[in-house]
Amino acid sequence: EVQLVESGGGLVQPGRSLKLSCAASGFTFSDYYMAWVRQAPTKGLEWVASISYDGGSTYYRDSVKGRFTISRDNAKSSLYLQMDSLRSEDTATYYCTTDNWGLFAYWGQGTLVTVSS
Amino acid sequence: AIVLNQSPSSIIASQGEKVTITCRASSSISSNYLHWYQQKPGAFPKLVIYSTSYRASGVPSRFSGSGSGTSYSFTISRVEAEDVATYYCQQGSSNPYTFGAGTKLELK
Repeated sequence: EVQLVESGGGLVQPGRSLKLSCAASGFTFSDYYMAWVRQAPTKGLEWVASISYDGGSTYYRDSVKGRFTISRDNAKSSLYLQMDSLRSEDTATYYCTTDNWGLFAYWGQGTLVTVSS
Repeated sequence: AIVLNQSPSSIIASQGEKVTITCRASSSISSNYLHWYQQKPGAFPKLVIYSTSYRASGVPSRFSGSGSGTSYSFTISRVEAEDVATYYCQQGSSNPYTFGAGTKLELK
């Protein structure tokens, strides 16, 4: 059974940093692109970033380019999202997902990030 | 970025009723890259339909999808109580991947 378990969310002040983690199991992690998708409170879904099988290629939405860094450790079957210079508009639940040519087949339960002073 | 205009934004339906959601793209998408997700209250999203018309594993046959180019639709042939959720279309054709704004399905 595919499992994706996010961690690392919490309350952080504007301008500070936070690093999210996602532990994957139940599938061959290195066979999949992976992605982060977020959802602001009471809002819709928004793709944030994706990363290739070996981490050699990364993709970001414009609003997080230069502030967020997606990475992975295939030996640990783990996905990460380093978030710097956080803004109030980054407040959201962040979901870890598999990314199969832009198809998000498996999702974690999400971790809430709140950016507020 | 490809904008997905999803309508209606909300539906109130009776059990057993047929409901249809439309998703219109701002530019043409290959049908391979148009997908639908279901998000029940308080839960994470779940893939329901992929590549326009293929049901994900375990999804009941009352769920279906169709479309091509810039116009796609998602149908529940006979709504059941467990289908109460928000449904999103999504395109994986080009970066940035985008979602429709969602359609909230409630029961009468």
